[in-house]
Amino acid sequence: EAQVTQNPRYLITVTGKKLTVTCSQNMNHEYMSWYRQDPGLGLRQIYYSMNVEVTDKGDVPEGYKVSRKEKRNFPLILESPSPNQTSLYFCASSPRTEFGNEQFFGPGTRLTVL
Amino acid sequence: AQTVTQSQPEMSVQEAETVTLSCTYDTSESDYYLFWYKQPPSRQMILVIRQEAYKQQNATENRFSVNFQKAAKSFSLKISDSQLGDAAMYFCAYVAGGTSYGKLTFGQGTILTVHP
Repeated sequence: EAQVTQNPRYLITVTGKKLTVTCSQNMNHEYMSWYRQDPGLGLRQIYYSMNVEVTDKGDVPEGYKVSRKEKRNFPLILESPSPNQTSLYFCASSPRTEFGNEQFFGPGTRLTVL
Repeated sequence: AQTVTQSQPEMSVQEAETVTLSCTYDTSESDYYLFWYKQPPSRQMILVIRQEAYKQQNATENRFSVNFQKAAKSFSLKISDSQLGDAAMYFCAYVAGGTSYGKLTFGQGTILTVHP
């Protein structure tokens, strides 16, 4: 089944404890992206990647890191999480054949930072 | 910077009736796409419909259609014959080509309630 998977789905952690949210897709998509969703703000893009070893900042990159060493994986790293990073996080992927392609989203990761 | 605005935080409709969700955007680009995504309580993001800016004809997908007014930078979604399963959060989104390739901007979302 073609899909984007994220792990973990739920995470409660404490301020300053490094964490990684994994994202993997099995559709051979070049493009991958991370978003955070907050009430009243919609989804905001954190980072995106056009292909392996190519990453760019979205609108809210502060406090996050990403890497794209393999085409299928695009982990999101919070090296020192803070309470303002409590949010719902989505990973998405799409083929790069056309910039207006549909993005396929993962199921989301609910992160709480205490 | 591109912005997308959904001015209706919440909307409601009776089952089988028609409802229109509003979206406006601001851009200086000429080549771009607009989307409506649906997020039901399961949180899964689902593409409802998309529109290419160069196409004058409004996109339609079964009961879903858009009213794309390029000059006014308006992109509304019309849902006809509303069903209980249409209840969800709806997001308008924008992406441009050129130097902004890959940057997707979403609106704040509209919660749609469908009454039986």
